[in-house]
Amino acid sequence: DARVTQTPRHKVTEMGQEVTMRCQPILGHNTVFWYRQTMMQGLELLAYFRNRAPLDDSGMPKDRFSAEMPDATLATLKIQPSEPRDSAVYFCASGLFVSRVASGANVLTFGAGSRLTVL
Amino acid sequence: GESVGLHLPTLSVQEGDNSIINCAYSNSASDYFIWYKQESGKGPQFIIDIRSNMDKRQGQRVTVLLNKTVKHLSLQIAATQPGDSAVYFCAENIGTGRRALTFGSGTRLQVQP
Repeated sequence: DARVTQTPRHKVTEMGQEVTMRCQPILGHNTVFWYRQTMMQGLELLAYFRNRAPLDDSGMPKDRFSAEMPDATLATLKIQPSEPRDSAVYFCASGLFVSRVASGANVLTFGAGSRLTVL
Repeated sequence: GESVGLHLPTLSVQEGDNSIINCAYSNSASDYFIWYKQESGKGPQFIIDIRSNMDKRQGQRVTVLLNKTVKHLSLQIAATQPGDSAVYFCAENIGTGRRALTFGSGTRLQVQP
């Protein structure tokens, strides 16, 4: 089965350190999303890309977070400097956007997530 | 894989019974809805979807009902099995253009053997 691959699976770091999370979307998918899951906020959208162009990053703290797609096979989410409140599970998801009409082709496939703990 | 120990509403059912998980959405402009299942230690997994021009859709052992009048979505699972134990999220796509899903807070389903 095609899958979204995320690394690292677990990351423990100290406050102030830089953290980079990576995602390999499903080959052929043109849309990539970053979500964050916490106990308090549930699943929150941070940013998403279509055809490698950022479409919406309004959910992301701009001063410390950055998201990029250097190429179609890699999406990155970077936090610099990291803070304890960034501790969460970060999910990458990819999908194939076909048209403005919502359909099954717009379903997202999620990776297994990266658990980040900032001490 | 990962998940978090969310303090969620919990539905406890006996194996073999039918389960109904409910979800209220707030945006009348939402045109597409999906149910996801998240097992412990994994990412959310697609179960079934429905477009806003429909009020019912059936899959294998699952049925999604959409009531746009009261902005309510439900997931029915027939003959619930221990493997159905998970957290279930409804997600909505709000209107045109922005094709990102907004997730509800989730419901934990516990299946008792």
